[in-house]
Amino acid sequence: NAGVTQTPKFQVLKTGQSMTLQCAQDMNHNSMYWYRQDPGMGLRLIYYSASEGTTDKGEVPNGYNVSRLNKREFSLRLESAAPSQTSVYFCASSPSGSSDTQYFGPGTRLTVL
Amino acid sequence: AQSVTQLDSQVPVFEEAPVELRCNYSSSVSVYLFWYVQYPNQGLQLLLKYLSGSTLVKGINGFEAEFNKSQTSFHLRKPSVHISDTAEYFCAVSDWTNFNKFYFGSGTKLNVKP
Repeated sequence: NAGVTQTPKFQVLKTGQSMTLQCAQDMNHNSMYWYRQDPGMGLRLIYYSASEGTTDKGEVPNGYNVSRLNKREFSLRLESAAPSQTSVYFCASSPSGSSDTQYFGPGTRLTVL
Repeated sequence: AQSVTQLDSQVPVFEEAPVELRCNYSSSVSVYLFWYVQYPNQGLQLLLKYLSGSTLVKGINGFEAEFNKSQTSFHLRKPSVHISDTAEYFCAVSDWTNFNKFYFGSGTKLNVKP
C-alpha cells in the first residue's frame, strides 16, 4: 500500500498562474483533508471532505477550490496564485471523522513568485 | 473554533534526559486530542491520541501524554530521549460538535543533543 500520495513534490508558479495539487489514498478512507503548513503557524485546514461527494471549508479556504473526484482522490486548485499562498501543502485521509487518526502525504512545496 | 497553544517553539535537550512538550487547548466541550511527529522533509505521523477513558495515554517510541481536563492541557513526555527523537511535534484537537475539523498547534521543535 502506498498510503497517501501527492503530486507534484515541488512547484514554482508566477503570480496569477493556476495549478492543481493532486492527492490520492489507497486505504479506502472516507474522509480527506487539505492543510497548509507555514513556519510558526502549524497546520491550518483549508478544505475537507467527509465523504465522497461532499466538501466543506476549513479555517483558510479563500483562494482555493477542491474536488472530491471519487473516494480515492481529492484535488486542491489555486485559480490565481498569490505570493501569500507560498507554503507546504499536505493532504491527509482518515477512516471517518474527528476521533480518527489522520494519515498524511509527503507534502507539496509551492513557491509563488 | 478551537485554539491550540504550544508555548515552546523550540526545546533543546541532551540525549537520555527527560523532556516535556506542553500543549493547551481552548475548548470546554468534549475533545479528542492528538500528538503528531514530523521528521525533516516528511509528512506527519501519529504518536498517540486521547479519545476517552484513562487520562494517561501511551504512544509509540516511548512517548506518553496526560489529559488534564481542568487545566485543558495535554502535555507530551518522554523519560529519556534519543538523538532520533529530533523532530517537530504538533498537538491537535478535534471535537464531536465539529465533525472532521482538526486544529493544530504551531509546533515544538525538539532538538536532542549528544
